Amino acid sequence: QVHLQESGPGLVKPSETLSLTCTVSNDSISDYYWNWIRQPPGEGLEWIGYIHYSGNTNYNPSLQSRVTISADTSKNQFSLKLRSVTAADTAVYYCARDRDPDAWTGYYYGMDVWGQGTTVTVSS
Amino acid sequence: IVLTQSPATLSLSPGERATLSCRASQSVSRYLAWYQQKPGQAPRLLINDASNRATGIPARFSGSGSGTDFTLTISSLEPEDFAVYYCLQRSTWYTFGQGTRLEIK
Repeated sequence: QVHLQESGPGLVKPSETLSLTCTVSNDSISDYYWNWIRQPPGEGLEWIGYIHYSGNTNYNPSLQSRVTISADTSKNQFSLKLRSVTAADTAVYYCARDRDPDAWTGYYYGMDVWGQGTTVTVSS
Repeated sequence: IVLTQSPATLSLSPGERATLSCRASQSVSRYLAWYQQKPGQAPRLLINDASNRATGIPARFSGSGSGTDFTLTISSLEPEDFAVYYCLQRSTWYTFGQGTRLEIK
């Protein structure tokens, strides 16, 4: 069974860079789309971006100037860097797996596997 | 693409039928999924491809719609169904709806 686990500092100072890693178990990251999603306290879900196994990335336009997502296939991990953080970046950060719709039927599988989430607080 | 969920809050009793709506600002075809989230937990995939139950999801959950209008129906509410529900589209980038909170009346 595929398992995703987020890791990284729980506290980041304003103006610094938030760095998180998602470790994928029982599957290879050399497949699928690997996403980061966040959820501020008491609010809804916000897609941050993804890295495709081909190396292509796409980011939420509202965050694009501050975000980088990368992958380390040797460690079966992918990572998030969010620069110049403020208190508004305080959230639970999730990693999740997605895939292309089926080439023949167009069937969309959804983000079907999620990590448990990690809380990041931005504060001095 | 903006996803608008309604109602924001739905108050029902166990055994009742729940109908949740998700409307897209432009067509997303069938590239829509529904999620359930309980406090302190990650979202759980319920419905993919707009109308298909994900693995292990009870038959009381059903989805319908295509294009811009989608519905999640829970035919007879169980106590464990009271949670927040989100829709997600991946037709253009990804966006989530703002959520519907299903609470016990």
